[in-house]
Amino acid sequence: AQSVTQPDIHITVSEGASLELRCNYSYGATPYLFWYVQSPGQGLQLLLKYFSGDTLVQGIKGFEAEFKRSQSSFNLRKPSVHWSDAAEYFCAVGANYQLIWGAGTKLIIKP
Amino acid sequence: ETGVTQSPTHLIKTRGQQVTLRCSSQSGHNTVSWYQQALGQGPQFIFQYYREEENGRGNFPPRFSGLQFPNYSSELNVNALELDDSALYLCASSFLAGDGTQYFGPGTRLLVL
Repeated sequence: AQSVTQPDIHITVSEGASLELRCNYSYGATPYLFWYVQSPGQGLQLLLKYFSGDTLVQGIKGFEAEFKRSQSSFNLRKPSVHWSDAAEYFCAVGANYQLIWGAGTKLIIKP
Repeated sequence: ETGVTQSPTHLIKTRGQQVTLRCSSQSGHNTVSWYQQALGQGPQFIFQYYREEENGRGNFPPRFSGLQFPNYSSELNVNALELDDSALYLCASSFLAGDGTQYFGPGTRLLVL
């Protein structure tokens, strides 16, 4: 069965430090992979997506993610976080007509 | 280009009542998907509509139903509300023949008492 795992429920990072959020997926075919961000009480904003081609994808707000087929991973990275990056981040895999979601990782920024 | 809009933003109902949530899709999109997001969890797929027909459904009972209109807007109807239906309901629009990327509205927060 298709599934997405985000192993970290919370991550705390100092402002200006680098960030990596982990995502592992289980999917039989070549996956379509997404990262979305959700601010408190808000909808979901697309950060980036991977369909094919270059395994390192660039997104908005300075985020990037790397698809590693051998590890079934699609980790999100940012070289230097800002206080405005505090939010919840969701990884999802596209399976036919639906998105299957991880449980999310809450990013906390220390001043 | 307008984004996905949803109404109302918040709603309070009592157990057993019925509710209708509305969604207007992003211009140029022909597909609408609905998700339920309980507090502290990731979204769960309810169903998707394309050309006014249900195109796929998640593990939700029949009391969750929907409609899509010729202008691609959509409604989610929930009958016989239960306490566990309290959640954020998210609508997403996409273009079926495109890459399928889904763009989300701000959601409707439903509280069932």
